[in-house]
Amino acid sequence: DAGVIQSPRHEVTEMGQEVTLRCKPISGHDYLFWYRQTMMRGLELLIYFNNNVPIDDSGMPEDRFSAKMPNASFSTLKIQPSEPRDSAVYFCASSLLASRGQFFGPGTRLTVL
Amino acid sequence: TQLLEQSPQFLSIQEGENLTVYCNSSSVFSSLQWYRQEPGEGPVLLVTVVTGGEVKKLKRLTFQFGDARKDSSLHITAAQPGDTGLYLCAGTAGGTSYGKLTFGQGTILTVHP
Repeated sequence: DAGVIQSPRHEVTEMGQEVTLRCKPISGHDYLFWYRQTMMRGLELLIYFNNNVPIDDSGMPEDRFSAKMPNASFSTLKIQPSEPRDSAVYFCASSLLASRGQFFGPGTRLTVL
Repeated sequence: TQLLEQSPQFLSIQEGENLTVYCNSSSVFSSLQWYRQEPGEGPVLLVTVVTGGEVKKLKRLTFQFGDARKDSSLHITAAQPGDTGLYLCAGTAGGTSYGKLTFGQGTILTVHP
């Protein structure tokens, strides 16, 4: 198994630019999650999907953040416009059953200058 | 909002010592998971416990879910430098929050040779 794949691994951009993070979940997993991790706030759930449908986006910080899952094998998290406070590591995770454990990707380290 | 409090926040010990990490909440969880995260990587699932009072062992690691399903502990026997990392507990509430994991703030464990 390839595991959860995220790209890019590192992203450095300037304030005001659009940023798109990508995720390929494990094949056959019905749930996909986007998290953000910082030293101050720890690991925060941003949004999650079940069978490509967004179920809970209450963790999305602002309208600048949006996420899509056009099919079972691909999801994007977009930030437009980006701000320095968005700097963090963003993780994508997938699971077969939500209560049985999630499999995380390696993360994207985002730095907004 | 369901919260999980982990203690201690930091733990620095010598190789061969035993340790326990605690995860507590005032809320009931339908399941609880433990993850370990190493620098530059995503969290890796160690175990899922679902039954109150359940005890699971994974080599030198012992996980326990409280009878009331509000707390959990992770005990490591004879710690090794390879155990160093960030340990996270996470719970699922069930019901309308099914699928949503709440993470504790983590315990940073350092095992010195």
